Amino acid sequence: EVQLLESGGGLVQPGGSLRLSCAASGFTFSSYAMSWVRQAPGKGLEWVSVISGSGGSTYYADSVKGRFTISRDNSKNTLYLQMNSLRAEDTAVYYCAGLRIMITFGGVIVKADAFDIWGQGTMVTVSS
Amino acid sequence: EIVLTQSPGTLSLSPGERATLSCRASQSVSSSYLAWYQQKPGQAPRLLIYGASSRATGIPDRFSGSGSGTDFILTISRLEPEDSAVYYCQQYGSSPWTFGQGTKVEIK
Repeated sequence: EVQLLESGGGLVQPGGSLRLSCAASGFTFSSYAMSWVRQAPGKGLEWVSVISGSGGSTYYADSVKGRFTISRDNSKNTLYLQMNSLRAEDTAVYYCAGLRIMITFGGVIVKADAFDIWGQGTMVTVSS
Repeated sequence: EIVLTQSPGTLSLSPGERATLSCRASQSVSSSYLAWYQQKPGQAPRLLIYGASSRATGIPDRFSGSGSGTDFILTISRLEPEDSAVYYCQQYGSSPWTFGQGTKVEIK
């Protein structure tokens, strides 16, 4: 069974840090680009970051650039999101999602796929 | 950044009726890299349509997608009670990838 399981969410104070993990099973993890998508309470979906299957290419939304770092360990079938300098507006459910194709050229994503695998999400609350 | 605007905000229909959801982009979506997702309360989104018109694995054929350029449509031909959900469009042709604000479908 294809599965993504997020962990690491919780309550953190503004300015603090948190690391999310996403454990994958049931598919060839290294063949998939992986992404983080978040959803603030009662709001819509927001793409956060994506990493290529090899881990060599990463991209971020402007809202998190310089504060969040996406990474992966293909030997452990695990995706990570290191979140620093957290703000109240980062409060959301964070989903990891997989996409079969992401091709980059010259630092630009030239071809990608839709998110066809999703985890159940982990809640991050930034509050004092 | 490509802004996606979905309409209507809420759609209230009876079982068996046809639902038509719109997604309009602020600029052309390259290669029709447009997807539709269904999200039920407390659940993760589920991919319904990719490439504007291709159904994802296991999606019933009452769901169909159409459109190109800046105007896209998701049609649910015969609504069933389990189709009650929020539907999001997403473009993945130009970074940053963006989502519409969602259309809520209510079944009377």
